[in-house]
Amino acid sequence: QSVLTQPPSVSAAPGQKVTISCSGSSSNIGNNYVSWYQQLPGTAPKLLIYDNNKRPSGIPDRFSGSKSGTSATLGITGLQTGDEADYYCGTWDSSLSANVVFGGGTKLTVL
Amino acid sequence: QLQLQESGSGLVKPSQTLSLTCAVSGGSISSGGYSWSWIRQPPGKGLEWIGYIYHSGSTYYNPSLKSRVTISVDRSKNQFSLKLSSVTAADTAVYYCARSRHAPWFDPWGQGTLVTVSS
Repeated sequence: QSVLTQPPSVSAAPGQKVTISCSGSSSNIGNNYVSWYQQLPGTAPKLLIYDNNKRPSGIPDRFSGSKSGTSATLGITGLQTGDEADYYCGTWDSSLSANVVFGGGTKLTVL
Repeated sequence: QLQLQESGSGLVKPSQTLSLTCAVSGGSISSGGYSWSWIRQPPGKGLEWIGYIYHSGSTYYNPSLKSRVTISVDRSKNQFSLKLSSVTAADTAVYYCARSRHAPWFDPWGQGTLVTVSS
């Protein structure tokens, strides 16, 4: 069971907007930066968002990140069939067993 | 641009040591401010961070794996390595290397290499 909680799956139609949540606690999301990753089928994860809401060079502005309290959200607008992938959130957990932790992943289906 | 490539044995027997290397090209492993990480993903499951190393050689490991993990760096070859001892079937996974920052974030990632633990 992951320290960070994500919905197992979300779906939306092409052109629509979808949000993926990532819920944690004060020892992780509440006091640390969140990053988001896209994993297309059969490929390595790719960084989409870092430091809660920053996009690396080359990531379109259709992807956005936000954080409030102990939860973070990834938003994707103008959905494309090529966005079908697994999405993971990640952060540092400052508990006794300090560690990098990831969410369990969310499968996005573009209907 | 920076590229990472994992290599090593794809099949390891139970109780033996898994060994992987990550070759870095298009940039120096001694670049300031970055660490170099190993992350794994069991088949059909999520991501698990294993640990990271700085070019100085300082390391930090996942507490759940710490007793079995060693990450080292070879600056002359621009590569870093992972050793995981006393492996079991639960260590079967795709192993990724990645450049990291302590925020934390990981970018870019290697393509990954599947390691199967089986007799």
